[in-house]
Amino acid sequence: EAGVAQSPRYKIIEKRQSVAFWCNPISGHATLYWYQQILGQGPKLLIQFQNNGVVDDSQLPKDRFSAERLKGVDSTLKIQPAKLEDSAVYLCASSLATGGGYEQYFGPGTRLTVT
Amino acid sequence: AQSVAQPEDQVNVAEGNPLTVKCTYSVSGNPYLFWYVQYPNRGLQFLLKYITGDNLVKGSYGFEAEFNKSQTSFHLKKPSALVSDSALYFCAVRDGSNNAGNMLTFGGGTRLMVKP
Repeated sequence: EAGVAQSPRYKIIEKRQSVAFWCNPISGHATLYWYQQILGQGPKLLIQFQNNGVVDDSQLPKDRFSAERLKGVDSTLKIQPAKLEDSAVYLCASSLATGGGYEQYFGPGTRLTVT
Repeated sequence: AQSVAQPEDQVNVAEGNPLTVKCTYSVSGNPYLFWYVQYPNRGLQFLLKYITGDNLVKGSYGFEAEFNKSQTSFHLKKPSALVSDSALYFCAVRDGSNNAGNMLTFGGGTRLMVKP
């Protein structure tokens, strides 16, 4: 079974530029998550999708971050414009469904450096 | 609001000795508890979870965790540590009584160092 795929693995941009990350979840997983992991901290949920609908985006900085999952499969996360404090690893995860005790499966992440 | 505390930034243990990585949690409803491990430059890997039932949960790679409701703890344990267990470990909690979503809250992580 293929795991969660993410690209790119690394990205370096200057502040005020824009950047986009892509995620393809495990086949058949209805729920997709984007997390931000700042160095030395645990992952923090940015947004959660159930199929192509948003379940929770309460921690997404909506003035600069956006995400979509148009066909209910793969997803993109965009930052525009980027700030220095956006430097982090962006993790995508998926699970079979929302609710219950479903564990989440994580991709390798995209390490973003904003200079 | 739900929260997780991992009081130790780093745990050092000799190979072959037992290890414990501590985790305490706070949720308003029933806790669903998870442990994940993260190796360098890789995503998080699921180790084990507690949803209901036996308080002692067994997971991958010989790890186990004990749910203690009175102490609101879910410590990760292994009887005999391996050098290859050296990694970053995260405890996470979800409020099982909230069916509106599946939001996991993670602790800050504990780095486990196993020395030969």
